[in-house]
Amino acid sequence: EVQVLESGGGLVQPGGSLRLSCAASGFTSSTYAMTWVRQAPGRGLEWVSSISGYGEDTYYADSVKGRFTISRDSSKNTLFLQMNGLRVDDTALYYCARSTGIGVSDPSDCWGQGTLVTVSS
Amino acid sequence: SYELTQPPSVSVSPGQTVSITCSGDKLGDKFACWYQQKAGQSPVLVIYQDNKRPSGIPERFSGSNSGNTATLTISGTQAMDEADYYCQAWDSGTGAFGTGTKVTVL
Repeated sequence: EVQVLESGGGLVQPGGSLRLSCAASGFTSSTYAMTWVRQAPGRGLEWVSSISGYGEDTYYADSVKGRFTISRDSSKNTLFLQMNGLRVDDTALYYCARSTGIGVSDPSDCWGQGTLVTVSS
Repeated sequence: SYELTQPPSVSVSPGQTVSITCSGDKLGDKFACWYQQKAGQSPVLVIYQDNKRPSGIPERFSGSNSGNTATLTISGTQAMDEADYYCQAWDSGTGAFGTGTKVTVL
């Protein structure tokens, strides 16, 4: 069964860092584009970052550019999101999602349950 | 950044048809997809490439995209279709989501 499982969320102070992980199973994640999407409490979906399949093309929302880094470890079949300089408005449930193909603009057909990031002093 | 606008909410009676719009600059020149998110659950892809349904999505879900507007239509709406719906499209290397529409089945 194709699945992704996020982990690494938690409570962090403003200015702090966290690294989210997304473990893939049932497929080889490096051959698909992968995406992080977040949802603040009671709010809508917000695209955060994507990485292309096979290649290493990366894309970021303006709101996180320069602070967040998306990467993957093919040997562990795992996607990461390194988050630095966290702000209160980064508080959200962070979803990992697999695209249907190698292109970042391909739609996401497999989503995890999310990992909660809370930024507060 | 690219902006996609949806109506905040729509209501529909069981068995009736409801349409949700998604507006963005020259949206018809891009591929649009739609996600359904039920309360407390992760999003589910219901339409991709404007009008294609993934395996397992009922035929009552359909989509179109032209000009500046993409539309998701649910025909013969069922109580289980009550959810939030989000459109998404890519523009200039960013993947924008719509503002979301809450569909209430009365």
